Amino acid sequence: GAVVSQHPSWVICKSGTSVKIECRSLDFQATTMFWYRQFPKQSLMLMATSNEGSKATYEQGVEKDKFLINHASLTLSTLTVTSAHPEDSSFYICSARGAPRPSSYEQYFGPGTRLTVT
Amino acid sequence: KNQVEQSPQSLIILEGKNCTLQCNYTVSPFSNLRWYKQDTGRGPVSLTIMTFSENTKSNGRYTATLDADTKQSSLHITASQLSDSASYICVVNGSGGSYIPTFGRGTSLIVHP
Repeated sequence: GAVVSQHPSWVICKSGTSVKIECRSLDFQATTMFWYRQFPKQSLMLMATSNEGSKATYEQGVEKDKFLINHASLTLSTLTVTSAHPEDSSFYICSARGAPRPSSYEQYFGPGTRLTVT
Repeated sequence: KNQVEQSPQSLIILEGKNCTLQCNYTVSPFSNLRWYKQDTGRGPVSLTIMTFSENTKSNGRYTATLDADTKQSSLHITASQLSDSASYICVVNGSGGSYIPTFGRGTSLIVHP
């Protein structure tokens, strides 16, 4: 149980365009979802935290107008990278937490989305 | 400032050998510590989770230890396999608030035949 999926798993887009990444909790209700970015050989960097029905809370240094996060339902959150630039190329990972079930503490990670901006 | 430091940064071992990865943290107050395995191009997968009162926890060939007094944890891998090649990430949760975790940079493990 507690499976999180991401779509797409891999996307290439041209500079200046926007791309949307979906994160779904398949078998539990995700009250909170997290979005991370990971550069090669680096650890995960938290970008933002979103609670269902509320505006996302962005970490310092993350542009909220560039990285639009929507958490409109208990099973779906989306991250839209607007006006993408090559430096946005990265591995984007979401995680979901469902409190109190399956756990108030555990985050369940998605498989990640590789974004390449040309 | 909450921090999680992992060592070594990278490690190369021969198949069948054992190894131990270290994690030191300053997160306070402490709630739990988790070790994740992340294969290249994949999301992290949880190996173990330990709370304040737990000293050791095993998951197959993976054994995690926790010393909450010294704020240190280790992950011991026994009889390594080629499939163990991955990044191992230590993540610490503080108690209270929004449970935002603190991630270590990970240890990159390569197992050679």
